[in-house]
Amino acid sequence: SQQGEEDPQALSIQEGENATMNCSYKTSINNLQWYRQNSGRGLVHLILIRSNEREKHSGRLRVTLDTSKKSSSLLITASRAADTASYFCATDPGGQNFVFGPGTRLSVLP
Amino acid sequence: KAGVTQTPRYLIKTRGQQVTLSCSPISGHRSVSWYQQTPGQGLQFLFEYFSETQRNKGNFPGRFSGRQFSNSRSEMNVSTLELGDSALYLCASSYGGPDTQYFGPGTRLTVL
Repeated sequence: SQQGEEDPQALSIQEGENATMNCSYKTSINNLQWYRQNSGRGLVHLILIRSNEREKHSGRLRVTLDTSKKSSSLLITASRAADTASYFCATDPGGQNFVFGPGTRLSVLP
Repeated sequence: KAGVTQTPRYLIKTRGQQVTLSCSPISGHRSVSWYQQTPGQGLQFLFEYFSETQRNKGNFPGRFSGRQFSNSRSEMNVSTLELGDSALYLCASSYGGPDTQYFGPGTRLTVL
């Protein structure tokens, strides 16, 4: 398996519901980032959380990091149709370049 | 500040040809990273340049190469194109990587 893996692979919810995506990784990291990608376009940075942080918020986004379990979660509250996208976590094993997981495809239905 | 720009946005080539893609980072950013994205392999790291030097390299054959100029603009070159090189090529810039990376819109390469 890859350094970073998102779970689930795909998620379909109704507008207004919360969406939770998880990321697991294998080796120790300095930072973990979450990105969003709309179909076939560039990635948009959402949040960076450092290894000494446990939780960060940005608007409707909440990211947690549990370094003992080597896992992170991204929560999107009160989802909107515009949140439909693929979401990726990226980790920097060994403090080198970022390694991306395969992503979670989120569909928010109106 | 202007975002990361990539040119061209779309490219169609035939097997055996070579291609050069360009990336202009955000002003002040000195690190440029390149990624290949395909449906089967996902986002894979190609290489990273910092101050005109290749600092990290992914697991790609030597047909993939890059360089960075003194103004931090970067180019990547793929020689002897293969069908499997069809992908979305993304570049990302940062102040000194690995930190928050800002991505360009990508270049969609199709190899026929």
